Amino acid sequence: GAVVSQHPSRVICKSGTSVKIECRSLDFQATTMFWYRQFPKKSLMLMATSNEGSKATYEQGVEKDKFLINHASLTLSTLTVTSAHPEDSSFYICSAIRDPLYGYTFGSGTRLTVV
Amino acid sequence: GEDVEQSLFLSVREGDSSVINCTYTDSSSTYLYWYKQEPGAGLQLLTYIFSNMDMKQDQRLTVLLNKKDKHLSLRIADTQTGDSAIYFCAESSGGSYIPTFGRGTSLIVHP
Repeated sequence: GAVVSQHPSRVICKSGTSVKIECRSLDFQATTMFWYRQFPKKSLMLMATSNEGSKATYEQGVEKDKFLINHASLTLSTLTVTSAHPEDSSFYICSAIRDPLYGYTFGSGTRLTVV
Repeated sequence: GEDVEQSLFLSVREGDSSVINCTYTDSSSTYLYWYKQEPGAGLQLLTYIFSNMDMKQDQRLTVLLNKKDKHLSLRIADTQTGDSAIYFCAESSGGSYIPTFGRGTSLIVHP
């Protein structure tokens, strides 16, 4: 149980375009999901907490207008990178928690490359 | 903020035991986790331990917790080449339960 599906796994886009990444909890309802960004040889940086039916909570330094988060249902959160630039190239991972006893379940990640 | 520290690299021979160490600063940590990340993939929860436990064993994995020193370790017995990955230590405390991650230890297993 506690499966999180993330799509796409890899995307290449042109500078200035927008990219949407989906995160779905397949066998449980997640009122809260999390979006992380992982830099090479660095740990995971929490970008924002996605709350179903309300606005996302962004971490300090994360541009909310650039990284749009929508959590319209109990099983789906989306992250849209707007007007992407090469510096946005990174590995983005979503996660959801079913029960802290079992830890956070992570999606498989999305490798974004902006050219 | 709270910190989780772990060494960045560990190299072992196949068949040997691997020990990955982690220290944390939050004395109110409730849950401590070990995650594994294979290249290009998301994080997979390997095991977890409650802060009121000293040890947990699960097949080849042994987690030791020294709460006094805020030190957590993961021992992998009979390490295999398939164990090569990045291992993240994480802790969370009551309230938000949002975990704080270490920077990950790259485990390289040589044949």
